[in-house]
Amino acid sequence: DAGITQSPRHKVTETGTPVTLRCHQTENHRYMYWYRQDPGHGLRLIHYSYGVKDTDKGEVSDGYSVSRSKTEDFLLTLESATSSQTSVYFCANGQGYTTGELFFGEGSRLTVL
Amino acid sequence: SQQGEEDPQALSIQEGENATMNCSYKTSINNLQWYRQNSGRGLVHLILIRSNEREKHSGRLRVTLDTSKKSSSLLITASRAADTASYFCATAPAGGAQKLVFGQGTRLTINP
Repeated sequence: DAGITQSPRHKVTETGTPVTLRCHQTENHRYMYWYRQDPGHGLRLIHYSYGVKDTDKGEVSDGYSVSRSKTEDFLLTLESATSSQTSVYFCANGQGYTTGELFFGEGSRLTVL
Repeated sequence: SQQGEEDPQALSIQEGENATMNCSYKTSINNLQWYRQNSGRGLVHLILIRSNEREKHSGRLRVTLDTSKKSSSLLITASRAADTASYFCATAPAGGAQKLVFGQGTRLTINP
């Protein structure tokens, strides 16, 4: 168990409000990721981090920002939530692809009304 | 866009039968991985196969990789009801980009 904790696990918000999802790891893994999962789309990468203050965009990064001020925490922020951002968000961590596998959290279900 | 395309999208078999899922991808890879997701839960890593490997086993799981066809298959032998889940392939692109690209998954149902 890689010790990923996501919070909140469930959130309902209104269009236009800011939302922050938190991912906390107990390991010292270098890489952390935010994916969203939607029916018919599988998992799509939003942003990822390869170290403290080092982040990069994924394939669906519009409308999202991230921050990683310390190794153990990776925050995903929706500056102004829209209904299209209703989804299940998964955080994952890993050491990198020479070693390979990712460890996932249990997900955060976000509903934007 | 998704790198991996999985086939079939859904599979329903009887307990004890073998289940085969396929994954195709588009670009060169460093490795290919398979994950399992139980309903309402996070993904769990099952097995990783590197681009220079052709076959790998782990318990009742057998994964093959054909880089010339850009395809992989996951075989689960002697299926059990507890194998009911969604299965995803994920590719790590060649060239050092440290991110996995997931397919849309196969929903496997094992009927008792």
